[in-house]
Amino acid sequence: GAGVSQTPSNKVTEKGKYVELRCDPISGHTALYWYRQSLGQGPEFLIYFQGTGAADDSGLPNDRFFAVRPEGSVSTLKIQRTERGDSAVYLCASSLGITMGDTQYFGPGTRLTVL
Amino acid sequence: AQKITQTQPGMFVQEKEAVTLDCTYDTSDPSYGLFWYKQPSSGEMIFLIYQGSYDQQNATEGRYSLNFQKARKSANLVISASQLGDSAMYFCAMRDGGAQKLVFGQGTRLTINP
Repeated sequence: GAGVSQTPSNKVTEKGKYVELRCDPISGHTALYWYRQSLGQGPEFLIYFQGTGAADDSGLPNDRFFAVRPEGSVSTLKIQRTERGDSAVYLCASSLGITMGDTQYFGPGTRLTVL
Repeated sequence: AQKITQTQPGMFVQEKEAVTLDCTYDTSDPSYGLFWYKQPSSGEMIFLIYQGSYDQQNATEGRYSLNFQKARKSANLVISASQLGDSAMYFCAMRDGGAQKLVFGQGTRLTINP
């Protein structure tokens, strides 16, 4: 079956602009996660959804970052007033459930570049 | 707080040899899970293997095995009979029982030489 998909694959924007990044999880997966990976680092957690609600948003760096999952499937990560430091690869993952062994499967990521 | 440490920034191995990638972790939660992911140059994170803290046996998946030493808090990945396609970044990650998020290490870049 289809894996996690993310669009766009690349996004170049100017400082101060607004961007939206989309994630389409594996069909039937109830949990969805957003991570951010800076160059040479491991991914860092941003937010996690169980169904439609954000169950843990402790990783969002500040209030310029917001994410939604209105129908419990597709999710959008929204970044307002982008800054050069927001440049990174944004990874989305989904899992069937939330038990310990439920594997998180990752999408190919969106590379965001803020000029 | 959870912490994952991967002390080998880079590893170089001859094709067909076995390789061990080190991972140590720290958590105060008795229930946790350990994961290894592979990230080729294409960028996608590929799940390799999982070990639960209460699992009695070391996990194995094909050429991958996890050398889980609970008392030492280590979860090393062993790749047997390495192949050129194994060249990639490898990340160790952990979840503890209280959270859904994965905490990742810094990664190890593995290069397989022909």
